[in-house]
Amino acid sequence: EAQVTQNPRYLITVTGKKLTVTCSQNMNHEYMSWYRQDPGLGLRQIYYSMNVEVTDKGDVPEGYKVSRKEKRNFPLILESPSPNQTSLYFCASSLKTGLLGEQFFGPGTRLTVL
Amino acid sequence: SQQGEEDPQALSIQEGENATMNCSYKTSINNLQWYRQNSGRGLVHLILIRSNEREKHSGRLRVTLDTSKKSSSLLITASRAADTASYFCATDFRLDYKLSFGAGTTVTVRA
Repeated sequence: EAQVTQNPRYLITVTGKKLTVTCSQNMNHEYMSWYRQDPGLGLRQIYYSMNVEVTDKGDVPEGYKVSRKEKRNFPLILESPSPNQTSLYFCASSLKTGLLGEQFFGPGTRLTVL
Repeated sequence: SQQGEEDPQALSIQEGENATMNCSYKTSINNLQWYRQNSGRGLVHLILIRSNEREKHSGRLRVTLDTSKKSSSLLITASRAADTASYFCATDFRLDYKLSFGAGTTVTVRA
């Protein structure tokens, strides 16, 4: 089944404790992206990657890191989480044939930073 | 900054009625996409319209795009309870591969 998976789905952590949220897709998509969703603000793009070893900042990259060592994986790293990073996080992927196409979203990771 | 802005923020309709929501954006785009999200779940793609297209249909969905006004509309005809969800427009800028979402329209369909 074609899908985007994220782990963990729920996470409660404390300020400053490094964490990684994994994202994996099985559709051989070039483009992958991370978003955070906060009430009233919609989805805001954190980072995106157009292919292996190519990553770019989205609109809200501060406090986050990403890597794209393999085509299928795009982990999101919070080196020192803070309470303002409490949010619902989504990973997405798509083909990139000239222009961006339909985004396939993962189920989301609900992160709480205490 | 957010590119797309949906209007209205919330919409409540009776089952069987039509629902219309609008999206406005600020700069030139390649495509505009509409997504649906059911209560905290992942977004599901509904329809993509290219900048050189004016109207597109998919089942009970009709999307229009007016690039001169920098706006798009999504019409859901003959709404059902299962259409209760939040709807987002997403635009990708002409010069890069960022994808920008609006804050969404929450649609409630009453039985």
